[in-house]
Amino acid sequence: GQNIDQPTEMTATEGAIVQINCTYQTSGFNGLFWYQQHAGEAPTFLSYNVLDGLEEKGRFSSFLSRSKGYSYLLLKELQMKDSASYLCAVRKGGYNKLIFGAGTRLAVHP
Amino acid sequence: DAGVIQSPRHEVTEMGQEVTLRCKPISGHDYLFWYRQTMMRGLELLIYFNNNVPIDDSGMPEDRFSAKMPNASFSTLKIQPSEPRDSAVYFCASSLTGDGEKLFFGSGTQLSVL
Repeated sequence: GQNIDQPTEMTATEGAIVQINCTYQTSGFNGLFWYQQHAGEAPTFLSYNVLDGLEEKGRFSSFLSRSKGYSYLLLKELQMKDSASYLCAVRKGGYNKLIFGAGTRLAVHP
Repeated sequence: DAGVIQSPRHEVTEMGQEVTLRCKPISGHDYLFWYRQTMMRGLELLIYFNNNVPIDDSGMPEDRFSAKMPNASFSTLKIQPSEPRDSAVYFCASSLTGDGEKLFFGSGTQLSVL
């Protein structure tokens, strides 16, 4: 089976840095995605990690440790528009089968 | 490209009725996915296709659910008969390949079964 855990909710202040953690236990692990989903909208791709280490993309960075079954998404210089749900998704096996966590709802306050 | 197109955006129906959700993937994408999202269970994979062939339907809840992909540009998800517990947002997504390519999601269909 598979188990993906993320905090349910987080709050942060505009301009600050926030780290959203994701732990997973799954067979056939073959990469980890982060998606952003604004209320009432579709998920949109943020990052993909398949090897250990940090991937940086502008204000967003994602880290993966396969041995620890752990990933985090780091958001810098937070803006109000970053208020959204952040979904951690594990890719299983050779195909693009993604299993999503429940998501972390981030609220950014002035 | 217009992205993944789903229809209808909203569907309200009565218990026992047949519901058909439609999806047009991005042209050239080989993979198509149907997901369901609820507050209780989050985003769940129902079924996915590769080159119009169903690869994994282990997420389909029960026999009331069926999905088809008659050609590379069209897929349907059918629920017959529908039940109130089927109320959810149904997303279709497509990806270029299966090798770690990101998924592009449609806007979803908000289904309410009364």
